[in-house]
Amino acid sequence: EVQLLESGGGLVQPGGSLRLSCAASAFTFSTYAMTWVRQAPGKGLEWVSGISGGGAHTYYSDSVKGRFTISRDNSENTLYLQMSSLRAEDTAIYYCAKDPTGTLEAFDIWGQGTMVTVSS
Amino acid sequence: QSVLTQPPSVSAAPGQKVTISCSGSRSNIENNYVSWYQQLPGTAPKLLIYDNNKRPSGIPDRFSGSKSGTSATLGITGLQTGDEADYYCGTWDRSLSAGVFGGGTKLTVL
Repeated sequence: EVQLLESGGGLVQPGGSLRLSCAASAFTFSTYAMTWVRQAPGKGLEWVSGISGGGAHTYYSDSVKGRFTISRDNSENTLYLQMSSLRAEDTAIYYCAKDPTGTLEAFDIWGQGTMVTVSS
Repeated sequence: QSVLTQPPSVSAAPGQKVTISCSGSRSNIENNYVSWYQQLPGTAPKLLIYDNNKRPSGIPDRFSGSKSGTSATLGITGLQTGDEADYYCGTWDRSLSAGVFGGGTKLTVL
């Protein structure tokens, strides 16, 4: 079964750092662009970052640009999101998702999400 | 403020039809494919429609998508109580070089 499993969330102080991981299984990971989407408590979906299948092209929302770094290890079938200079407004469930078309316009497989709480 | 605009809520009776609109601009909806997602409480989003009007395997044909200019629409026919959820549209924005979502629409099946 095609699956994505996020990990690495937790409680972190403002200004701190955290690295999220997303382990992929049962599909050819390197073939697909991937994305991170977050959802603050009680709020809607917010696109965070995307990366091409080979990892050469990366994209960020203005709200995280310069603070977050997306990367992938295709040999380990794993997607990462390195988050630094964290703020209270970064508190959210973070989902990784697979892009079936390569254009970052749609996401067909989603993980269960990992919660990040930024608080002192 | 979301880049794409959706109505906060819609409602209809079981068995009826409902449409959810998603309004954008030339830099996003007009020049890119639109996708739609269903999010049941406490769960991850689920892809309903991609490339404006295509349904992934397993999505019933009660769900349909369309696009015209800078707007897109999700249609749901034969409403069931199990359709009660939040619905989101999404696409790529060429000016932002980033993905964008609508603010979400809560569907109530009365």
